[in-house]
Amino acid sequence: DAGVTQSPTHLIKTRGQQVTLRCSPKSGHDTVSWYQQALGQGPHFIFQYYEEEERQRGNFPDRFSGHQFPNYSSELNVNALLLGDSALYLCASSLSFIGQIYGYTFGSGTRLTVV
Amino acid sequence: GEDVEQSLFLSVREGDSSVINCTYTDSSSTYLYWYKQEPGAGLQLLTYIFSNMDMKQDQRLTVLLNKKDKHLSLRIADTQTGDSAIYFCAERRDTGRRALTFGSGTRLQVQP
Repeated sequence: DAGVTQSPTHLIKTRGQQVTLRCSPKSGHDTVSWYQQALGQGPHFIFQYYEEEERQRGNFPDRFSGHQFPNYSSELNVNALLLGDSALYLCASSLSFIGQIYGYTFGSGTRLTVV
Repeated sequence: GEDVEQSLFLSVREGDSSVINCTYTDSSSTYLYWYKQEPGAGLQLLTYIFSNMDMKQDQRLTVLLNKKDKHLSLRIADTQTGDSAIYFCAERRDTGRRALTFGSGTRLQVQP
């Protein structure tokens, strides 16, 4: 049973560029959340998608956007990259709203470096 | 600053018990979690506790919740070198919110 799959694992981008990160949730899960983890910090919530709609958003600018597809996979897009966007981006999945109570399943993350 | 606070570092000897502490500020937190992160990896859910519980035990792990002091702890019995990792405490504030708020993590170092 595959867990949460994220791609790519590492990425280097130049300031001002745009980036797309991808996530496939654990089999049977339908809800995807994205978190940003800067070095030495805990993860910070970006947003959550359920039924192809953004259901909740954290304190992140509009440069951060996302999408969920009918097969429940998701993308995170970041425009106009800043040096401060360098971080580990984690995708987490769960089964609907009730399933989240029992915790999320996290992927291994995408390490984004902005130079 | 973080609404969930943890000490940065803990060092123990193999075979001893480890106790990792966490304090949170929001009394409406109804679900609390412990996650483990090994180098270069994502987060692994270790255990969770609901606010109507005081204690939860799962094999070597014991979670204690003191709602009055908003204090959560994770005890690892018979700590092994494979337990070396960063441990994150996380809260979910109420049933209407979907986001987890994480602490900054406690690095556990287990010495042989």
